[in-house]
Amino acid sequence: DIQMTQSPSTLSASVGDRVTITCRASQSISSWLAWYQQKPGKAPKLLIYKASSLESGVPSRFSGSGSGTEFTLTISSLQPDDFATYYCQQYNSYSGRTFGQGTKVEIK
Amino acid sequence: QLQLQESGPGLVKPSETLSLTCTVSGGSISSSSYYWGWIRQPPGKGLEWIGSIYYSGSTYYNPSLKSRVTISVDTSKNQFSLKLSSVTAADTAVYYCARHPYDFWSGYPYWYFDLWGRGTLVTVSS
Repeated sequence: DIQMTQSPSTLSASVGDRVTITCRASQSISSWLAWYQQKPGKAPKLLIYKASSLESGVPSRFSGSGSGTEFTLTISSLQPDDFATYYCQQYNSYSGRTFGQGTKVEIK
Repeated sequence: QLQLQESGPGLVKPSETLSLTCTVSGGSISSSSYYWGWIRQPPGKGLEWIGSIYYSGSTYYNPSLKSRVTISVDTSKNQFSLKLSSVTAADTAVYYCARHPYDFWSGYPYWYFDLWGRGTLVTVSS
């Protein structure tokens, strides 16, 4: 199975900060990576697919990059609504559709 | 606007079968553009894909759960369902239904989930 490792696990930041979350795959997944945002008690929301494609309706302050085994999600200017947990998900391999363990973005 | 809604018992006894239904409203489950899936999240933990189905009945299952999972579709009711047998406390989780696009060119689904239900907590306990 392909393992996905996110870093950091928790991130403390202030409104207006530029925030970067990293996701590493245990083997190459080309660009088959998605990013989700999840708030407490809510379902995950798709932000990015195919590593860098912004889902319709998602603010442009969110961006994704990377290919192969290393990927990043960047929030260019953190807004109050962005404090949440973020998950990456690989979908290169049929065996698992695995998610990362999550990165919690907290208020500093 | 298309919405997904999970329903089913919130409490299941160990060794029994967990059964959930996802009702699609505001659109048709028979759309050729989408697969329909189940994903779960144990309390305080990460996400795990369980399996997916197309309106035609074509299915994909997570290999780690395949022996215990059955997903079915009822197009007349605009619903799809999950059955997970021989449950244990480790199956306690919030269960989500979700949609993912179908790639006509390859004949396979894209495996990112673009629309989710609100989720339902299922606790396995005697």
